[in-house]
Amino acid sequence: DQQVKQNSPSLSVQEGRISILNCDYTNSMFDYFLWYKKYPAEGPTFLISISSIKDKNEDGRFTVFLNKSAKHLSLHIVPSQPGDSAVYFCALTDSWGKLQFGAGTQVVVTP
Amino acid sequence: EAQVTQNPRYLITVTGKKLTVTCSQNMNHEYMSWYRQDPGLGLRQIYYSMNVEVTDKGDVPEGYKVSRKEKRNFPLILESPSPNQTSLYFCASSPGTGGHEQFFGPGTRLTVL
Repeated sequence: DQQVKQNSPSLSVQEGRISILNCDYTNSMFDYFLWYKKYPAEGPTFLISISSIKDKNEDGRFTVFLNKSAKHLSLHIVPSQPGDSAVYFCALTDSWGKLQFGAGTQVVVTP
Repeated sequence: EAQVTQNPRYLITVTGKKLTVTCSQNMNHEYMSWYRQDPGLGLRQIYYSMNVEVTDKGDVPEGYKVSRKEKRNFPLILESPSPNQTSLYFCASSPGTGGHEQFFGPGTRLTVL
């Protein structure tokens, strides 16, 4: 039973526009929420994280929003660039090392 | 260069033949973890280790063993592989838990016939 859901398996966005990726979770035990990006034939790489005591964190073109009451996490990428084409995973973790990933969203940025 | 290495990168084996996938990191990280990636399921945590001689089960530990005798190494052992363990495996390390980023290895593609 997937406790972390990324309901959009794919997203196509035009270069320069905003990409919005969503993630819903059921278990409130997690303290930290992260986004990873993955290119084919490579391991995932870390993008950005947010702790449960915050509702927004920004890093350059990437912003993560957390709505704890709705158990919803989102990642905004502005502006989207061709190099952003990849699979994006949300991940939830606690302070003890347990971590759960969503199934991923394939983002394609078109010229 | 700071990195997580996994060996082998590709492996085809037969049911029941014991195998080990090695994982090593050169960043002096306390935390290490193993994941498997399957289509439609994302990455699922198999085992993790907060420090030497400390290991814990993730969400899918059945059929796997791990050990953490040294800080830098965290091998994944399949005592009797079965076809449902055919998957893409990733090892990762991190300086700590919580919001710390994990550094992933390049992956090991395992096929069990």
